[in-house]
Amino acid sequence: KQEVTQIPAALSVPEGENLVLNCSFTDSAIYNLQWFRQDPGKGLTSLLLIQSSQREQTSGRLNASLDKSSGRSTLYIAASQPGDSATYLCAVRRPSNTGNQFYFGTGTSLTVIP
Amino acid sequence: DVKVTQSSRYLVKRTGEKVFLECVQDMDHENMFWYRQDPGLGLRLIYFSYDVKMKEKGDIPEGYSVSREKKERFSLILESASTNQTSMYLCASSFYRGRNTEAFFGQGTRLTVV
Repeated sequence: KQEVTQIPAALSVPEGENLVLNCSFTDSAIYNLQWFRQDPGKGLTSLLLIQSSQREQTSGRLNASLDKSSGRSTLYIAASQPGDSATYLCAVRRPSNTGNQFYFGTGTSLTVIP
Repeated sequence: DVKVTQSSRYLVKRTGEKVFLECVQDMDHENMFWYRQDPGLGLRLIYFSYDVKMKEKGDIPEGYSVSREKKERFSLILESASTNQTSMYLCASSFYRGRNTEAFFGQGTRLTVV
């Protein structure tokens, strides 16, 4: 079964710092990997989707990389802002004949201090 | 914009009641998913559906059933609600294959069973 791990569980940084969130997975046979943001008490908002054939994706101050062979992905956030404070989750999608199930990490809780 | 809409943000039900959680998506997605999210346990898959009237059990289906009579609607049913089903419930949808298999989530339903 696919295991997805996110380290650290919590991270606190001063405003303006660049930071990296880590995601690792045990089975490299993935369909894609997706990064989400979750604010307290809310649903998940999609940030970036990386197909298994891609190495990275960028959106504004966010850059996500994927190294499928080593089972790792990183989410880089440039020039962090207090509004970036949230929990960040990664999910890998396993190919199947039906639903292409997602496997989620337990998330990294990020606090950006003004 | 893709929209995944869950019928309620907050719900309070009594033990033993039959509870219906509704989810509607407007993007013609084949796949729809129901998760529950609990502190320290992350997101756990309850059921998913890959087509109308088609469903598969996830990791924790006990005490739940689902219905997908139309492509845009996926319902989660708690046959006889119990206090250990108090949780945040999240619905998601996506295409099954192709480049655009990004998953989209609803805003979540916080269910309390008393």
